[in-house]
Amino acid sequence: KAGVTQTPRYLIKTRGQQVTLSCSPISGHRSVSWYQQTPGQGLQFLFEYFSETQRNKGNFPGRFSGRQFSNSRSEMNVSTLELGDSALYLCASSLTDYYEQYFGPGTRLTVT
Amino acid sequence: GQQLNQSPQSMFIQEGEDVSMNCTSSSIFNTWLWYKQDPGEGPVLLIALYKAGELTSNGRLTAQFGITRKDSFLNISASIPSDVGIYFCAGRDIKTPLVFGKGTRLSVIA
Repeated sequence: KAGVTQTPRYLIKTRGQQVTLSCSPISGHRSVSWYQQTPGQGLQFLFEYFSETQRNKGNFPGRFSGRQFSNSRSEMNVSTLELGDSALYLCASSLTDYYEQYFGPGTRLTVT
Repeated sequence: GQQLNQSPQSMFIQEGEDVSMNCTSSSIFNTWLWYKQDPGEGPVLLIALYKAGELTSNGRLTAQFGITRKDSFLNISASIPSDVGIYFCAGRDIKTPLVFGKGTRLSVIA
Protein backbone atom coordinates (compact mmCIF):
# COMPACT_ATOMS: atom_id res chain seq x y z
CA LYS A 1 0.00 0.00 0.00
CA ALA A 2 1.40 3.39 -0.95
CA GLY A 3 2.38 5.70 1.87
CA VAL A 4 1.52 9.31 2.48
CA THR A 5 2.64 11.53 -0.37
CA GLN A 6 3.34 15.24 -0.20
CA THR A 7 3.90 17.68 -3.01
CA PRO A 8 6.02 19.53 -3.69
CA ARG A 9 9.00 18.18 -1.75
CA TYR A 10 10.90 21.45 -1.90
CA LEU A 11 9.75 25.01 -2.34
CA ILE A 12 11.42 28.41 -2.30
CA LYS A 13 9.22 31.47 -1.89
CA THR A 14 9.70 35.16 -1.25
CA ARG A 15 8.35 37.07 1.73
CA GLY A 16 4.80 38.21 1.16
CA GLN A 17 3.93 35.43 -1.27
CA GLN A 18 1.51 32.65 -0.53
CA VAL A 19 1.97 28.90 -0.85
CA THR A 20 -0.23 25.81 -1.06
CA LEU A 21 1.02 22.40 0.02
CA SER A 22 -0.69 19.15 -0.85
CA CYS A 23 -1.03 15.84 0.96
CA SER A 24 -2.46 12.52 -0.23
CA PRO A 25 -3.13 10.11 2.67
CA ILE A 26 -2.73 6.36 2.69
CA SER A 27 -5.61 4.75 0.83
CA GLY A 28 -8.56 4.25 3.19
CA HIS A 29 -7.32 6.75 5.77
CA ARG A 30 -9.86 9.44 6.58
CA SER A 31 -7.92 11.64 8.96
CA VAL A 32 -5.11 14.02 8.00
CA SER A 33 -2.97 16.14 10.32
CA TRP A 34 -0.40 18.82 9.52
CA TYR A 35 2.71 19.75 11.49
CA GLN A 36 5.45 22.34 11.21
CA GLN A 37 8.94 21.18 12.15
CA THR A 38 11.77 23.59 12.91
CA PRO A 39 15.07 23.04 14.74
CA GLY A 40 14.08 25.45 17.49
CA GLN A 41 10.45 24.53 18.10
CA GLY A 42 10.37 20.87 17.11
CA LEU A 43 7.13 19.39 15.78
CA GLN A 44 4.26 21.82 16.20
CA PHE A 45 0.66 20.85 15.46
CA LEU A 46 -1.17 22.89 12.80
CA PHE A 47 -4.49 21.21 11.95
CA GLU A 48 -6.32 17.92 12.11
CA TYR A 49 -9.11 16.92 9.72
CA PHE A 50 -11.48 14.00 9.68
CA SER A 51 -14.02 13.49 6.90
CA GLU A 52 -13.60 17.08 5.68
CA THR A 53 -14.18 18.55 9.17
CA GLN A 54 -11.47 20.35 11.11
CA ARG A 55 -11.24 18.57 14.47
CA ASN A 56 -8.40 20.53 16.04
CA LYS A 57 -6.37 23.62 15.24
CA GLY A 58 -2.99 24.54 16.62
CA ASN A 59 -1.79 27.87 17.91
CA PHE A 60 -0.79 29.43 14.60
CA PRO A 61 -1.86 32.75 13.08
CA GLY A 62 -4.77 32.98 10.67
CA ARG A 63 -2.32 33.12 7.75
CA PHE A 64 -2.21 29.33 8.07
CA SER A 65 -5.27 27.56 6.77
CA GLY A 66 -6.17 24.13 5.55
CA ARG A 67 -8.91 21.97 4.15
CA GLN A 68 -9.71 18.36 3.40
CA PHE A 69 -11.52 17.11 0.33
CA SER A 70 -14.09 14.35 -0.01
CA ASN A 71 -11.38 11.94 -1.22
CA SER A 72 -9.46 12.64 2.05
CA ARG A 73 -6.70 14.54 0.25
CA SER A 74 -5.72 17.71 2.09
CA GLU A 75 -4.12 21.05 1.36
CA MET A 76 -2.69 23.71 3.58
CA ASN A 77 -2.15 27.30 2.60
CA VAL A 78 0.11 29.94 4.08
CA SER A 79 -0.53 33.51 3.00
CA THR A 80 1.76 36.52 3.34
CA LEU A 81 4.82 34.39 3.96
CA GLU A 82 7.35 35.47 6.60
CA LEU A 83 10.97 34.39 6.99
CA GLY A 84 9.98 32.49 10.12
CA ASP A 85 7.67 30.25 8.10
CA SER A 86 10.72 28.45 6.70
CA ALA A 87 10.32 24.89 7.96
CA LEU A 88 9.61 21.28 7.11
CA TYR A 89 5.85 20.87 6.79
CA LEU A 90 4.73 17.35 7.55
CA CYS A 91 1.44 15.67 6.80
CA ALA A 92 0.28 12.54 8.61
CA SER A 93 -2.68 10.31 7.95
CA SER A 94 -4.57 7.88 10.16
CA LEU A 95 -7.36 5.40 9.63
CA THR A 96 -9.70 7.33 11.87
CA ASP A 97 -9.29 10.34 14.12
CA TYR A 98 -7.37 9.77 17.38
CA TYR A 99 -5.56 6.75 15.91
CA GLU A 100 -1.87 6.16 15.11
CA GLN A 101 -0.52 8.54 12.49
CA TYR A 102 1.74 7.81 9.53
CA PHE A 103 3.86 10.62 8.16
CA GLY A 104 4.76 11.67 4.65
CA PRO A 105 8.27 12.80 3.67
CA GLY A 106 7.42 16.47 4.17
CA THR A 107 7.67 19.66 2.13
CA ARG A 108 10.74 21.76 2.82
CA LEU A 109 9.67 25.41 2.52
CA THR A 110 12.30 28.13 2.37
CA VAL A 111 11.19 31.75 2.55
CA THR A 112 13.73 34.35 1.36
CA GLY B 1 -1.16 23.41 27.03
CA GLN B 2 0.13 19.88 27.23
CA GLN B 3 3.90 19.44 27.37
CA LEU B 4 6.09 16.43 26.90
CA ASN B 5 9.51 16.13 28.48
CA GLN B 6 11.68 13.70 26.58
CA SER B 7 15.05 12.57 27.87
CA PRO B 8 17.85 12.30 27.26
CA GLN B 9 18.28 14.94 24.55
CA SER B 10 21.16 13.02 23.01
CA MET B 11 23.05 9.78 23.50
CA PHE B 12 26.36 8.43 22.27
CA ILE B 13 26.61 4.68 22.65
CA GLN B 14 28.76 1.79 21.49
CA GLU B 15 27.38 -0.67 18.96
CA GLY B 16 25.81 -3.57 20.81
CA GLU B 17 24.76 -1.56 23.85
CA ASP B 18 21.17 -1.21 25.03
CA VAL B 19 19.44 2.18 24.91
CA SER B 20 16.67 3.60 27.05
CA MET B 21 14.77 6.86 26.64
CA ASN B 22 11.58 8.15 28.20
CA CYS B 23 8.86 10.76 28.05
CA THR B 24 6.74 12.31 30.74
CA SER B 25 3.59 14.35 30.31
CA SER B 26 2.00 17.06 32.42
CA SER B 27 -1.39 15.45 31.79
CA ILE B 28 -2.95 12.06 31.21
CA PHE B 29 -2.75 10.48 27.76
CA ASN B 30 -4.70 7.61 26.24
CA THR B 31 -2.24 7.08 23.39
CA TRP B 32 1.55 7.00 23.26
CA LEU B 33 3.44 6.74 19.97
CA TRP B 34 7.16 6.38 19.28
CA TYR B 35 8.72 7.55 16.02
CA LYS B 36 12.18 7.60 14.43
CA GLN B 37 13.23 10.31 12.00
CA ASP B 38 16.20 10.22 9.64
CA PRO B 39 17.61 13.42 8.09
CA GLY B 40 15.41 14.82 5.34
CA GLU B 41 12.64 12.31 5.95
CA GLY B 42 9.34 12.23 7.78
CA PRO B 43 9.04 10.42 11.12
CA VAL B 44 8.45 6.67 10.89
CA LEU B 45 6.09 5.03 13.38
CA LEU B 46 7.87 2.45 15.52
CA ILE B 47 5.39 1.47 18.21
CA ALA B 48 1.85 2.50 19.18
CA LEU B 49 0.51 2.06 22.73
CA TYR B 50 -3.14 2.43 23.70
CA LYS B 51 -3.50 0.94 27.18
CA ALA B 52 -1.95 1.85 30.52
CA GLY B 53 0.65 -0.76 31.48
CA GLU B 54 0.87 -2.08 27.90
CA LEU B 55 4.29 -3.42 26.91
CA THR B 56 4.84 -3.81 23.15
CA SER B 57 7.83 -4.99 21.15
CA ASN B 58 8.85 -4.45 17.55
CA GLY B 59 12.02 -6.44 16.89
CA ARG B 60 14.76 -5.04 19.11
CA LEU B 61 12.50 -2.20 20.26
CA THR B 62 10.29 -2.37 23.33
CA ALA B 63 8.00 0.38 24.58
CA GLN B 64 5.74 0.67 27.59
CA PHE B 65 2.72 2.83 28.42
CA GLY B 66 3.18 3.93 32.03
CA ILE B 67 0.50 2.91 34.53
CA THR B 68 0.00 6.54 35.59
CA ARG B 69 -0.78 7.31 31.91
CA LYS B 70 1.67 10.23 32.15
CA ASP B 71 4.81 8.50 30.93
CA SER B 72 6.24 6.07 28.41
CA PHE B 73 9.64 4.64 27.69
CA LEU B 74 11.41 3.09 24.71
CA ASN B 75 14.21 0.56 24.92
CA ILE B 76 16.46 -0.51 22.05
CA SER B 77 18.46 -3.66 22.62
CA ALA B 78 21.82 -4.51 21.04
CA SER B 79 22.07 -1.26 19.06
CA ILE B 80 23.41 -1.29 15.51
CA PRO B 81 24.66 1.59 13.30
CA SER B 82 21.32 1.95 11.48
CA ASP B 83 19.65 2.84 14.79
CA VAL B 84 21.21 6.29 14.41
CA GLY B 85 18.58 9.01 14.17
CA ILE B 86 16.20 11.12 16.21
CA TYR B 87 13.56 9.34 18.27
CA PHE B 88 10.35 11.15 19.17
CA CYS B 89 7.67 10.31 21.62
CA ALA B 90 4.15 11.60 21.01
CA GLY B 91 1.00 11.38 23.03
CA ARG B 92 -2.57 12.50 23.11
CA ASP B 93 -5.79 12.28 25.05
CA ILE B 94 -9.23 11.85 23.52
CA LYS B 95 -10.16 14.78 21.27
CA THR B 96 -6.81 16.55 21.76
CA PRO B 97 -4.07 16.90 19.14
CA LEU B 98 -0.98 14.76 19.15
CA VAL B 99 1.84 16.40 21.13
CA PHE B 100 5.50 15.60 20.46
CA GLY B 101 8.58 15.53 22.62
CA LYS B 102 11.71 17.42 21.54
CA GLY B 103 13.42 14.19 20.49
CA THR B 104 16.38 12.07 21.53
CA ARG B 105 19.30 12.13 19.10
CA LEU B 106 21.00 8.74 19.07
CA SER B 107 24.55 8.27 17.80
CA VAL B 108 26.06 4.80 17.58
CA ILE B 109 29.82 4.31 17.62
CA ALA B 110 30.92 1.20 15.79
